Amino acid sequence: QSALTQPPSASGSPGQSVTISCTGTSSDVGGYNYVSWYQQHPGKAPKLMIYEVSKRPSGVPHRFSGSKSGNTASLTVSGLQAEDEADYYCSSYAGSNNLGVFGTGTKVTVL
Amino acid sequence: QITLKESGPTLVKPTQTLTLTCTISGFSLSTSGVGVGWVRQPPGKALEWLTLIYWDDDKRYSPSLKSRLTITKDTSKNQVFLTMTNMNPMDTATYYCVNWNYQQHWFDPWGQGTLVTVSS
Repeated sequence: QSALTQPPSASGSPGQSVTISCTGTSSDVGGYNYVSWYQQHPGKAPKLMIYEVSKRPSGVPHRFSGSKSGNTASLTVSGLQAEDEADYYCSSYAGSNNLGVFGTGTKVTVL
Repeated sequence: QITLKESGPTLVKPTQTLTLTCTISGFSLSTSGVGVGWVRQPPGKALEWLTLIYWDDDKRYSPSLKSRLTITKDTSKNQVFLTMTNMNPMDTATYYCVNWNYQQHWFDPWGQGTLVTVSS
């Protein structure tokens, strides 16, 4: 099972929006509505930001949103803030024998 | 509050077997629907799911590492164990213990992680 493909980097100024793509196959992203997104600050453990493509856990700011079309999922961060600068990873369920295929990761920089 | 904490050796030699322990608080491993797994991250690289064990002792393994991994649990101590055989330098990584949501298919919360270096 190959990793999901994400752009290595993305950036935006404070207040702007940034969108990160996550491309998989019909066996993972395209086959299930179980895409999740994780934020990871340097030296810290990942934190769940989005689950089931577009749902936000309690406590995650509304400026984080997710979507999916075909084999590609996307995370959008609107109204960028300094604390949003981090690495972001997507993950997709790929069946009962492959619970989590992760993406290659995207470093978001707030200019 | 749910917390998971990893423990184990920080340095192992090539060909050795690694055993890590995840100690859980805030929920019971015997509760229906509970799943706890392991995810690793080599320095500067991406996350990789390894394995998971359910409350009923059902186990899942990454297809690419299945032959080297074993996951077990001790419900009385609320601990989960990861064993990885034949360690090599490419296995150098931070190993995270993580709670798996069985119905909605996400990982959260995560332990703080433990860095394991494979070197002679």
